[in-house]
Amino acid sequence: AQSVTQLGSHVSVSEGALVLLRCNYSSSVPPYLFWYVQYPNQGLQLLLKYTSAATLVKGINGFEAEFKKSETSFHLTKPSAHMSDAAEYFCAVSTATGANSKLTFGKGITLSVRP
Amino acid sequence: DTGVSQNPRHKITKRGQNVTFRCDPISEHNRLYWYRQTLGQGPEFLTYFQNEAQLEKSRLLSDRFSAERPKGSFSTLEIQRTEQGDSAMYLCASSSLAGGSDTQYFGPGTRLTVL
Repeated sequence: AQSVTQLGSHVSVSEGALVLLRCNYSSSVPPYLFWYVQYPNQGLQLLLKYTSAATLVKGINGFEAEFKKSETSFHLTKPSAHMSDAAEYFCAVSTATGANSKLTFGKGITLSVRP
Repeated sequence: DTGVSQNPRHKITKRGQNVTFRCDPISEHNRLYWYRQTLGQGPEFLTYFQNEAQLEKSRLLSDRFSAERPKGSFSTLEIQRTEQGDSAMYLCASSSLAGGSDTQYFGPGTRLTVL
């Protein structure tokens, strides 16, 4: 079984400030981890993914995340927030390829960016 | 590559009516997933196809729900005798094993409102 915990439902930062969105996972096998972003009334867009290669993963729009096995974490960061980053962010986990790679999502975090 | 498309984008129906949604995956993707997302929650897995074979169904998928993927191309999700609790965003995603990571790409979703 696998699960994702995203602590806090809402994060608010000032434009130009550091963005940190937390994600902890639980998985009985080595996980694949993903961050997706969702803008209002739209589908999910892939930001970045960890698939057992480098533990520091760089994604689109200046986001990056670090896989820490000892902490079972995959936190998302961006050095400087932009107004266009305001959206909902979902962390997700899946397991091995070659089988059903269904994603298990966290509840999501809404990011607000103040001018 | 035009991405995953879903139709209709919005559907309003009366309780007890049947509805059908369509998903067209990215053309070279052989895997197709359906998820359901309710307000304030992350998407939840419903079912998964590899080519035309439906390989897994979630317990969330009651007998009123049926999904098909004839010829391994587009997929349809039908809900019979809709209930107010079926109101949600229905998301489709597609993927392939090329590159080994089975990354899922999502469509814009179909928002269902049951009155």
